[in-house]
Amino acid sequence: NAGVTQTPKFRILKIGQSMTLQCAQDMNHNYMYWYRQDPGMGLKLIYYSVGAGITDKGEVPNGYNVSRSTTEDFPLRLELAAPSQTSVYFCASSPPGLGLSEQYFGPGTRLTVT
Amino acid sequence: GENVEQHPSTLSVQEGDSAVIKCTYSDSASNYFPWYKQELGKGPQLIIDIRSNVGEKKDQRIAVTLNKTAKHFSLHITETQPEDSAVYFCAASDNTDKLIFGTGTRLQVFP
Repeated sequence: NAGVTQTPKFRILKIGQSMTLQCAQDMNHNYMYWYRQDPGMGLKLIYYSVGAGITDKGEVPNGYNVSRSTTEDFPLRLELAAPSQTSVYFCASSPPGLGLSEQYFGPGTRLTVT
Repeated sequence: GENVEQHPSTLSVQEGDSAVIKCTYSDSASNYFPWYKQELGKGPQLIIDIRSNVGEKKDQRIAVTLNKTAKHFSLHITETQPEDSAVYFCAASDNTDKLIFGTGTRLQVFP
């Protein structure tokens, strides 16, 4: 199993550009998450999904969009990039169960908006 | 909503000493408390977790304690080794599908 994969690893965007961060998992997990990690600030939840066709906002959803058309893929879309979106983005997945369990994280995408 | 505070933000210990990281949470409904370790350039990885029906859990050199009354939980690492150097995050969750993370503790273990 590859686990959770993310592409690209690094990206530099100009203000106003758009891009999609890709995330895929091969563990047949229902739950998938997008976090951003700013220095000294921990992980903030952007969006999450409990299954194909279902998405919901997290703590910091503004400026982002997601879709979940398959169990495997959970792309994150930035429509109009702003410097405040400079961060490291992590995708994670988790199996369903009685309450939460381990989240498996991808290696991250480092995004710089200038 | 849930708020998780984590202390200290940095911690330096000598190899072989113990390290303790503490977290407090605000929502008394929270019932799942994982700890993640993040090495440089990698995603976080679960090292231990505890549910609210248990007061303590141990896995070799790592232990987690939970005080539901005081709403705090702690990570204890004994006999620290240089490879324990990393950033550690606590998190909390109620019966929703989300985790709220603390701000992290950078642990440095000096040989």
